Amino acid sequence: KAGVTQTPRYLIKTRGQQVTLSCSPISGHRSVSWYQQTPGQGLQFLFEYFSETQRNKGNFPGRFSGRQFSNSRSEMNVSTLELGDSALYLCASSTGGGETEAFFGQGTRLTVV
Amino acid sequence: GQQLNQSPQSMFIQEGEDVSMNCTSSSIFNTWLWYKQDPGEGPVLLIALYKAGELTSNGRLTAQFGITRKDSFLNISASIPSDVGIYFCAVPGKTGSARQLTFGSGTQLTVLP
Repeated sequence: KAGVTQTPRYLIKTRGQQVTLSCSPISGHRSVSWYQQTPGQGLQFLFEYFSETQRNKGNFPGRFSGRQFSNSRSEMNVSTLELGDSALYLCASSTGGGETEAFFGQGTRLTVV
Repeated sequence: GQQLNQSPQSMFIQEGEDVSMNCTSSSIFNTWLWYKQDPGEGPVLLIALYKAGELTSNGRLTAQFGITRKDSFLNISASIPSDVGIYFCAVPGKTGSARQLTFGSGTQLTVLP
């Protein structure tokens, strides 16, 4: 059974640009959650998608957005990149019910210069 | 919002030694989770705790759900080099499930040969 796949693994962007990251969940999982990991703030929840709908949202500005497709794959987009957006972006997949185990991908390392 | 205080922030230990780390909060939780993140990877669930006072083991790892439901502890016995990584405590957010997790700040573990 394939795990959670995130692409690309590494990305370098310039301030002001926008970026799109992709996450393919485990087959059969319908929920995808996104997290930002930085040395200063740690792991912080961005948002969660289930059945193509954003179900939960963390405390991030509107420059951070996402979407989910009918096959449960999810993308997150960051517009007008700032230096502080440099981080490891992780997605986690789960079935979408009340379970307490989420499976994480390897992450996408975004560097903004 | 929810805040988890994890300590220590980092540990340097000799191979074979035991390790202890903990998380505390001012809020009560019904579930405590412990994750490990290897360099360049996403977090992997080690132990899940669901009942106050519960003591659960996973190989050389033992975790306890504090009786007050405001804290949790993780112990690693007879450490080995592959124990190196960052250990996180986590609790489910407002959804009560893995779809939205709040993480502690992490304990960086280094095992010296």
